[in-house]
Amino acid sequence: DIQMTQSPSSLSASVGDRVTITCRASQGISSSLAWYQQKPGKSPNLLLYAASRLESGVPSRFSGSGSGTDYTLTISSLQPEDFATYYCQQYYSIPYTFGQGTKLEIK
Amino acid sequence: EVQLVESGGGLVQPGRSLRLSCAASGFTFDDYAMYWVRQAPGKGLEWVSGISWNRGTIGYADSVKGRFTVSRDNAKNSLYLQMNSLRAEDTAFYYCAKDAAAGSYYFDYWGQGTLVTVSS
Repeated sequence: DIQMTQSPSSLSASVGDRVTITCRASQGISSSLAWYQQKPGKSPNLLLYAASRLESGVPSRFSGSGSGTDYTLTISSLQPEDFATYYCQQYYSIPYTFGQGTKLEIK
Repeated sequence: EVQLVESGGGLVQPGRSLRLSCAASGFTFDDYAMYWVRQAPGKGLEWVSGISWNRGTIGYADSVKGRFTVSRDNAKNSLYLQMNSLRAEDTAFYYCAKDAAAGSYYFDYWGQGTLVTVSS
């Protein structure tokens, strides 16, 4: 199975900050990576897929990059509604594993 | 509007069985693979199982392989998860999720989840 490791596990930031979350796969996944946002008590929401493609309706302040084993999610200017938990997911091979999550909190 | 509505969760004793259902609407169900993802209370997401549109490809997480069986009824626009030999560590919210595009393997719509609690 491919292991996905996110860092950091938690992050404190302020509105307007630029933040970056990293996701590392235990083997190459050829950009078969999605990012999700989850708010408390809600289902996850797809943000990006194919490492860098923005899902329809997602604000352009969200971006993704990476290749091989290392990927990043960047939020260019944090908005109050962005404070949530973020998960990466590889879909290169079954089982389609998730990272452990990064909780983004208000500083 | 796409809707995924899970049902069938509840309190069950260790070793017993439970069957979850997911009723889908708002899209052509038999065009898409479907998935189950779970989340233990306060924990992260865990991919559990997936089934292709024609049941030709089925996969499971190692943690449930041999105990859980995924199935679908395209005539009823429904996805199922038969869970046998349940363990305390299976306690979680179980979400059904839809392939974002045919063969995409990531998920654009999720249900609200159904809670399974395994406890004596």
